Amino acid sequence: SAVISQKPSRDICQRGTSLTIQCQVDSQVTMMFWYRQQPGQSLTLIATANQGSEATYESGFVIDKFPISRPNLTFSTLTVSNMSPEDSSIYLCSVRTTGSYEQYFGPGTRLTVT
Amino acid sequence: GNSVTQMEGPVTLSEEAFLTINCTYTATGYPSLFWYVQYPGEGLQLLLKATKADDKGSNKGFEATYRKETTSFHLEKGSVQVSDSAVYFCALSAGSGGGADGLTFGKGTHLIIQP
Repeated sequence: SAVISQKPSRDICQRGTSLTIQCQVDSQVTMMFWYRQQPGQSLTLIATANQGSEATYESGFVIDKFPISRPNLTFSTLTVSNMSPEDSSIYLCSVRTTGSYEQYFGPGTRLTVT
Repeated sequence: GNSVTQMEGPVTLSEEAFLTINCTYTATGYPSLFWYVQYPGEGLQLLLKATKADDKGSNKGFEATYRKETTSFHLEKGSVQVSDSAVYFCALSAGSGGGADGLTFGKGTHLIIQP
């Protein structure tokens, strides 16, 4: 399985500001995804990060709020823009390789917005 | 759309008891099914998977069988340990292997094992 790291591991931010979360994988992967886990809740898919093109967003998530970049096969960023307390969550990236069914998750970024 | 329904906890059992966590799904096509586990203070780990009907996934004494006729993927373990205390998530991927689909998760089941 791939080794996935995320930065930062946690942060406390003021409302109205933005935070960029980085996801780095130790090998080239086909698919990268971003999820949100709100306090005490399950995981919800935000978007699929596509290399060299715009991300594919799920219903309820928009690019202006959650811009995503994926410049190569091992790295992606998620920005949480104009934050409000409702954005307080754990944000996780995950990866899947070609022909594989498994999806592996990074350790997550715990975001608190005050 | 796709959805996963699993029993919500907390589920409290004594050590060495038999465990079943129910999971049913709704999906178009032929999804792949997964169980993930989140131990206290740790990240999300893949526990087991099944990619087609009647497949049985197994790992660490846990098993789950992909039942297409009942659209279910129940998690079982014959004798639980205190170290199994965690939150368990059932999930599906509606795309075929290597496809572009993310995962749809159930709400998670908090399992507590008492010594």
